[in-house]
Amino acid sequence: DVVMTQSPLSLAVTLGQPASISCRSSQSLVYVDGNTFLNWFLQRPGQSPRRLISNVSHRDSGVPDRFSGSGSGTDFTLKISRVEAEDVGIYYCMQGTHWPRTFGQGTKVEIK
Amino acid sequence: QVHLQQWGAGLLKPSETLSLTCGVSGGSFTAYYWTWIRQPPGKGLEWIGEISQSGSTSYNPSLKSRVTMSLDTSKEQFSLNMISVTAADTAVYYCARDYGDYLWGQGTLVTVSS
Repeated sequence: DVVMTQSPLSLAVTLGQPASISCRSSQSLVYVDGNTFLNWFLQRPGQSPRRLISNVSHRDSGVPDRFSGSGSGTDFTLKISRVEAEDVGIYYCMQGTHWPRTFGQGTKVEIK
Repeated sequence: QVHLQQWGAGLLKPSETLSLTCGVSGGSFTAYYWTWIRQPPGKGLEWIGEISQSGSTSYNPSLKSRVTMSLDTSKEQFSLNMISVTAADTAVYYCARDYGDYLWGQGTLVTVSS
């Protein structure tokens, strides 16, 4: 299985400040067709997860543009340009290139 | 707007079979993959498996011997069955649709206890 390693595992951020989460995979996530199926999800307290980013950097509909994804191969990053109160929760990366699909451990983001 | 609604028994005894169903409303019953994911209390997410629109399945090897997924296009539903459950299978189970978007059901807490 592809191991997804996130860092940090917890992050306390001041409102309005940026935040960054790293996700590294144990194998390249480039699929045979050239796509890279790396997703980012946010799970707010008590809610189902919601996808923010697909294919490394594509924001889902309705996701604020303060969220951005980048990276390639085995090294990926989610950035929040200015953290807002509603961004609190646990962020997960998930690879959709290899079977079984696998998630990172999660990064808990809270407001300082 | 497409909505996923899931249901099934929430309390099982060890060795029983977990059965969950996820229904789709508000849109077409179409997906690249229909997926089941679980989350043990206080822990992270674990991918259980997926079924494509054509009915092809892929399961997590760690659960493959106990899991079956199926699709009923006439009812616009897909289902998860897991046999021989133990306390380690206690988790919130989510259904999800991967189709451009990635929609999640509301989650079902399944507790396995004698």
